Amino acid sequence: QKEVEQNSGPLSVPEGAIASLNCTYSDRGSQSFFWYRQYSGKSPELIMFIYSNGDKEDGRFTAQLNKASQYVSLLIRDSQPSDSATYLCAAHGGDSNYQLIWGAGTKLIIKP
Amino acid sequence: EAEVAQSPRYKITEKSQAVAFWCDPISGHATLYWYRQILGQGPELLVQFQDESVVDDSQLPKDRFSAERLKGVDSTLKIQPAELGDSAMYLCASSREMGAFFGQGTRLTVV
Repeated sequence: QKEVEQNSGPLSVPEGAIASLNCTYSDRGSQSFFWYRQYSGKSPELIMFIYSNGDKEDGRFTAQLNKASQYVSLLIRDSQPSDSATYLCAAHGGDSNYQLIWGAGTKLIIKP
Repeated sequence: EAEVAQSPRYKITEKSQAVAFWCDPISGHATLYWYRQILGQGPELLVQFQDESVVDDSQLPKDRFSAERLKGVDSTLKIQPAELGDSAMYLCASSREMGAFFGQGTRLTVV
């Protein structure tokens, strides 16, 4: 059974600090990993993807991938109240069917 | 910017009635997903299409749910009869290679 696991939270972070969100996956064949942000009552929005070991930066967001440890993380620098949302991690199984395996999400709260 | 179109945005229906959702994916996206999401949980895959073919419908309650994508473009998800437990957000997403892009979803309430 392919699984993606996330801590459900809530994770509370002061405004201006770094928020660190983590995700582990069970399928070693997974090739690509995605972070989605979901505001309450809205649909998920793709914010980052990563497929190579190491770091990938986009503005205030940094995705980190460690395939040996089967671990993906998302760092949000200079956290803002508008970053308060649920963050979903998804793994692409590497098969030709583009199957996505989803975590349950981590709720992030940025305290002003 | 290209978007996934879904309709309706909201639907209230009585139990035992039929309900249908429509999705138009981003042009050129061969993969189309229908998900159900309950508050506080991740998306649950109902059905995945590659062009007009179903590649995964293992979690689709086939006694009451059906989905089609006849020409490999837009898609319809139907529930008949609706049950109280079907109240949830129904999300459509499409993908070409990297990641899935979601429509705004349909909030279904069964009363």
